[in-house]
Amino acid sequence: KAGVTQTPRYLIKTRGQQVTLSCSPISGHRSVSWYQQTPGQGLQFLFEYFSETQRNKGNFPGRFSGRQFSNSRSEMNVSTLELGDSALYLCASTLDGRYQETQYFGPGTRLLVL
Amino acid sequence: AQTVTQSQPEMSVQEAETVTLSCTYDTSESDYYLFWYKQPPSRQMILVIRQEAYKQQNATENRFSVNFQKAAKSFSLKISDSQLGDAAMYFCAYRSKGDNDMRFGAGTRLTVKP
Repeated sequence: KAGVTQTPRYLIKTRGQQVTLSCSPISGHRSVSWYQQTPGQGLQFLFEYFSETQRNKGNFPGRFSGRQFSNSRSEMNVSTLELGDSALYLCASTLDGRYQETQYFGPGTRLLVL
Repeated sequence: AQTVTQSQPEMSVQEAETVTLSCTYDTSESDYYLFWYKQPPSRQMILVIRQEAYKQQNATENRFSVNFQKAAKSFSLKISDSQLGDAAMYFCAYRSKGDNDMRFGAGTRLTVKP
């Protein structure tokens, strides 16, 4: 099976712009979680989608949003970018999003905000 | 709130030697899973090993094993016969039945010296 894929791999934006990142989970996986990774804050949970519904959400401002499509592919959007949004954004998929399941991660999208 | 602490920001080991990475966690839950993930320079997070809290037997995966001390809330990772390819950031992670997301430690950067 193909692994989790994320596009694009690298992105440079300027403050105030918006950005959309994409994640394709492992075939058959219905749960997709998004994480932000920064040197200062480490790995922080953004949100989880399951069967096209946001099931859980981390402590991030409303500028961060996401969605999931019927084929389980997920997108996350960040509006009005700030310098502090520069980070590696990781998505991970599991079959059903249960707590005991191993999360399989994609390679990440490196976002740089100038 | 559940927290995961990795007290060793950096560790180094000689090739073929053994190294132990430490992890402690704080929880009042009884039903949870613990994970060790590896993140090499390529940035893709890879599961190394996982442990169910109800299982007393320590998990092992080839050269990787854990020392799970539930009462002490400790979950250390032992890497035997270290190889150059083991060089990476290692993250300890926790997720319980009642959690919305996976909680990660700050990570330990492992260097393997030839």
